[in-house]
Amino acid sequence: AQKITQTQPGMFVQEKEAVTLDCTYDTSDQSYGLFWYKQPSSGEMIFLIYQGSYDEQNATEGRYSLNFQKARKSANLVISASQLGDSAMYFCAMRHLISNFGNEKLTFGTGTRLTIIP
Amino acid sequence: DAGVTQSPTHLIKTRGQQVTLRCSPKSGHDTVSWYQQALGQGPQFIFQYYEEEERQRGNFPDRFSGHQFPNYSSELNVNALLLGDSALYLCASSFGTGAGELFFGEGSRLTVL
Repeated sequence: AQKITQTQPGMFVQEKEAVTLDCTYDTSDQSYGLFWYKQPSSGEMIFLIYQGSYDEQNATEGRYSLNFQKARKSANLVISASQLGDSAMYFCAMRHLISNFGNEKLTFGTGTRLTIIP
Repeated sequence: DAGVTQSPTHLIKTRGQQVTLRCSPKSGHDTVSWYQQALGQGPQFIFQYYEEEERQRGNFPDRFSGHQFPNYSSELNVNALLLGDSALYLCASSFGTGAGELFFGEGSRLTVL
């Protein structure tokens, strides 16, 4: 069974500092993908970054980068130069096949609430 | 280009009642997945609809049912509501049944009293 673990319920970070949000995962699949989503108070899940299990380079998207360590089964999100608008819930999620017909679902962690302090 | 839209945004029901939540997928998308997010938890997969059929289902009882219409929009129905059904219900749409590019709506927040 697939499992995502986020061990930081909440984090407080000074504005303009970098922050790392932890994510570890467990799967027996050879092919999988890892996402980070941001969820503001509005409720919508906003895609931030994606890493495929066979991608050799760590993914980057603007101020977001994913520190992928496959042997350790970790996929930490790094946000550089944090901004007040980064305050939100952050979820790590894994995509995986749930049928032989290409159906996939996401399994989410419990999230980390990030608060940026001015 | 409208994204995923859900209605209603908030609703309150009492135990034993039934509720219907609605979702319109992003333009060009043909697959709708529903997720339940209880307070303080990550979303949990309920089921996925493609070609007007339920294709896959998570660990949810039969009280949870759905429908997909020819225009790809979808409904989630929950019968015999329990207090534990209180949650944010998220709809996600995609083109095809993969989870590589899911777009989420803002959710319907259900409170069961």
